[in-house]
Amino acid sequence: KAGVTQTPRYLIKTRGQQVTLSCSPISGHRSVSWYQQTPGQGLQFLFEYFSETQRNKGNFPGRFSGRQFSNSRSEMNVSTLELGDSALYLCASSLLVESSYEQYFGPGTRLTVT
Amino acid sequence: DQQVKQNSPSLSVQEGRISILNCDYTNSMFDYFLWYKKYPAEGPTFLISISSIKDKNEDGRFTVFLNKSAKHLSLHIVPSQPGDSAVYFCAASGGDSGNTPLVFGKGTRLSVIA
Repeated sequence: KAGVTQTPRYLIKTRGQQVTLSCSPISGHRSVSWYQQTPGQGLQFLFEYFSETQRNKGNFPGRFSGRQFSNSRSEMNVSTLELGDSALYLCASSLLVESSYEQYFGPGTRLTVT
Repeated sequence: DQQVKQNSPSLSVQEGRISILNCDYTNSMFDYFLWYKKYPAEGPTFLISISSIKDKNEDGRFTVFLNKSAKHLSLHIVPSQPGDSAVYFCAASGGDSGNTPLVFGKGTRLSVIA
């Protein structure tokens, strides 16, 4: 069974631009969560989608948004990029509501904002 | 406010010896705890978990201990191997029937020296 895939793997953008990242969960997984990882800050939760609905949301500004499609694939968008948005963005999927603890992570998208 | 804390950013251990990684939490609603391992350029991979109804869970060389009264958990790796060198994240979840996002610590970088 294929793992969680994220595209693109690397991205360089300029401050003020917007960016869209994509995540394909493991087949059959309906929950997708997004995290931001910056040096020394661990993984910060962005949001979680389940069956096309946002179920949980972290403490990030409205510039960060996401959506989930009927095939469970998810996208996250960051508008008006800032230098501080440079980070590794990780997507994780899980199979059942009660099993959301054991999340399976993708390799991440490394975003650099210049 | 950091709800999950890993106070040691790094740890060095000799091959064959025991590695002990520590994690403290503040939210008494947390009832499920996990450890993830992360290699550079890869997403975190699930290692081991423990429910709050237990105080120990073992899986091969990895054992997690939970002390609920102290709000403390630890991961023991015995014997440590060079391939264990990675960043280890502690995560917690709980309350609301499990539909809560994982809260991660900032990670501890383990270096196993041959």
